[in-house]
Amino acid sequence: GESVGLHLPTLSVQEGDNSIINCAYSNSASDYFIWYKQESGKGPQFIIDIRSNMDKRQGQRVTVLLNKTVKHLSLQIAATQPGDSAVYFCAEKDSFGNEKLTFGTGTRLTIIP
Amino acid sequence: DAGVIQSPRHEVTEMGQEVTLRCKPISGHNSLFWYRQTMMRGLELLIYFNNNVPIDDSGMPEDRFSAKMPNASFSTLKIQPSEPRDSAVYFCASLSHSTDTQYFGPGTRLTVL
Repeated sequence: GESVGLHLPTLSVQEGDNSIINCAYSNSASDYFIWYKQESGKGPQFIIDIRSNMDKRQGQRVTVLLNKTVKHLSLQIAATQPGDSAVYFCAEKDSFGNEKLTFGTGTRLTIIP
Repeated sequence: DAGVIQSPRHEVTEMGQEVTLRCKPISGHNSLFWYRQTMMRGLELLIYFNNNVPIDDSGMPEDRFSAKMPNASFSTLKIQPSEPRDSAVYFCASLSHSTDTQYFGPGTRLTVL
């Protein structure tokens, strides 16, 4: 029979434009959040993280925004490049002392040359 | 820093055979995680260790799966006997307790025929 995989949200962005990838989380006890990038055939790669005592954190071409009120996380990538094409995952960790991460299903970002 | 090392990178085996996946975490990291990634279920945590001790194995699907960490620099995930539904990419990740960031290896792509 036909297999049905996870339906990944997709986002296509013109090269050079900015992209925003969104993530909703449900655990109000989560206090640490990470964005990972996974290219085809590779493992998830750490991009940027943020703790719950912050609303915004910037890296090189990337910015993560955290809205705890609505439990929303976003990743902004400035001046996108073809190498930014990948699946992006958000992950959260709770404040109860264990190291487990809960991963979102991912968003596939495609950069159009 | 070589990052997390996994071997083999690809494994093709026949149903019923024993499969052993290997992981070397980043030197100095205290925690090690085994994940499985499939199109159907996304990224799933199987088990994780703190200081070589298994902490949470609730994600291990069946008794056919077992994991060990005999020392701080080596872990194995064993499947015996393997079945076609075990076909997936298996990732190992490690973490230092001074941060909350998990770093992933390149993965082992397992195909069980």
